[in-house]
Amino acid sequence: DTGVSQNPRHKITKRGQNVTFRCDPISEHNRLYWYRQTLGQGPEFLTYFQNEAQLEKSRLLSDRFSAERPKGSFSTLEIQRTEQGDSAMYLCASSQDGGNQPQHFGDGTRLSIL
Amino acid sequence: QQQVKQSPQSLIVQKGGISIINCAYENTAFDYFPWYQQFPGKGPALLIAIRPDVSEKKEGRFTISFNKSAKQFSLHIMDSQPGDSATYFCAASKGYSGNTPLVFGKGTRLSVIA
Repeated sequence: DTGVSQNPRHKITKRGQNVTFRCDPISEHNRLYWYRQTLGQGPEFLTYFQNEAQLEKSRLLSDRFSAERPKGSFSTLEIQRTEQGDSAMYLCASSQDGGNQPQHFGDGTRLSIL
Repeated sequence: QQQVKQSPQSLIVQKGGISIINCAYENTAFDYFPWYQQFPGKGPALLIAIRPDVSEKKEGRFTISFNKSAKQFSLHIMDSQPGDSATYFCAASKGYSGNTPLVFGKGTRLSVIA
C-alpha cells in the first residue's frame, strides 16, 4: 500500500537552523497539502498545490516558510531560521481532483527545536 | 476566531456503549464535513464524511448526523470498542469534493474502557 510518505519522521535541530521536510503523495494524486499540528490541537492548514501550482497559503505561513512542488510529484517544506514556536508535527496530505476525493494524510514529521 | 468548535475535549465510554462527539461551525460556505481518527504517532485517517444535502450518513458503527439550520454535526460510534480509543477530529471545507483546505476542530480524546 503506497500511502503518503513523509521524511524524516523526526527532526531535532537548534534554534536558528534551517530544516527541510519532504512529502511523497499517493501516486496520481495531483493535490498536495501541508498542515501543522501542535500538541493537543487539530491540524492547521499551511498551503496546498494542484500539480506544481501553489494555490493558497495560510497567514500561518510566515516568510520563513517556503514550500515547493517543482515537478508536480513530491513536495518540500523548508523553514528558515527556526524558532521555538516552530516545534510541531508537520503533516502532508494528498487528494485527487474530481468529486468525492478525500484527503489522505501521511504520518508527519515531528520537529523539535532545542 | 475558531471556525469549527468541537466538544467534549475528552470522553470516557464503557465498552459496548455509544460515543457521541459534537461539532459546530460558523462559516455557511462550508459544504463538506469529514471526521478523522488519529492514533498516537500517526496521521489522521478519514472515518466518514457528509455533505449538507443529507441529514445522516451511516457506515458500519459510525454515523454522522447533520443539522444545517443549527450549523451542527455530530459523530456517533455505536458499540464502542477499546480499539476505538483515539483522538477524533471534525473538520469542514468549502470544497464539495473534499479536495480544498480543511479547517479542523481541536479534537476529542476518546477512551473506551472494558
